[in-house]
Amino acid sequence: QAVVTQEPSLTVSPGGTVTLTCGSSTGAVTSGHTPYWFQQKPGQAPRTLIYVTNNKQSWTPARFSGSLLGGKGALTLSGAQPEDEADYYCSLSYSGTWVFGGGTKLTVL
Amino acid sequence: EVHLVESGGGLVQPGGSLRLSCAASGFSFSNEWMHWVRQGPAKGLVWVSQISADGTNTAYADSVKGRFTISRDNANNTLYLQMNSLRVEDTAVYYCARALGDWGQGTLVTVSS
Repeated sequence: QAVVTQEPSLTVSPGGTVTLTCGSSTGAVTSGHTPYWFQQKPGQAPRTLIYVTNNKQSWTPARFSGSLLGGKGALTLSGAQPEDEADYYCSLSYSGTWVFGGGTKLTVL
Repeated sequence: EVHLVESGGGLVQPGGSLRLSCAASGFSFSNEWMHWVRQGPAKGLVWVSQISADGTNTAYADSVKGRFTISRDNANNTLYLQMNSLRVEDTAVYYCARALGDWGQGTLVTVSS
């Protein structure tokens, strides 16, 4: 089974920009892996921010964007807000199955 | 508004069985693929299983293959996860998700003697 890798933790200053990445043990992440990005705050269920690489849900703040970058999936947060402090997970599709990354703990400080 | 409500969790001994349910509303359930995702205590999300809109195609994570069965009742807008031969490491909050786009609040499964 493939392994999906994410940065364990990142810190961003309020108003700053940060990029979280989502890598695959099988090689470059492509649009065929249909990357998803999820946000989870303590004690809450996950919430989907980005689906199929770069599509936003209706509730996704404009400051979040998804892309492919350097052979990885990427979630960019531009203009970080205190409420963006959370765990972020990506998931990739592999021929009908899915694998989640280990998550990135994002601190806004 | 999409609404997903999981139920059926609880405490079970190793080797036991449980059936989880997910009641869906606010969307056309019979047209959507559905997933189960779990999260162990203080751990990350783990994909468990998915089922096609008509129920004919299913897929499972290696860790549950042969022990868990996903199914659905499109007439009653309900998703199921039958879990057999449960192990301590299956302890987790189990979430159902509509095409990984909308999530329920989860139901806790604890496997312990």
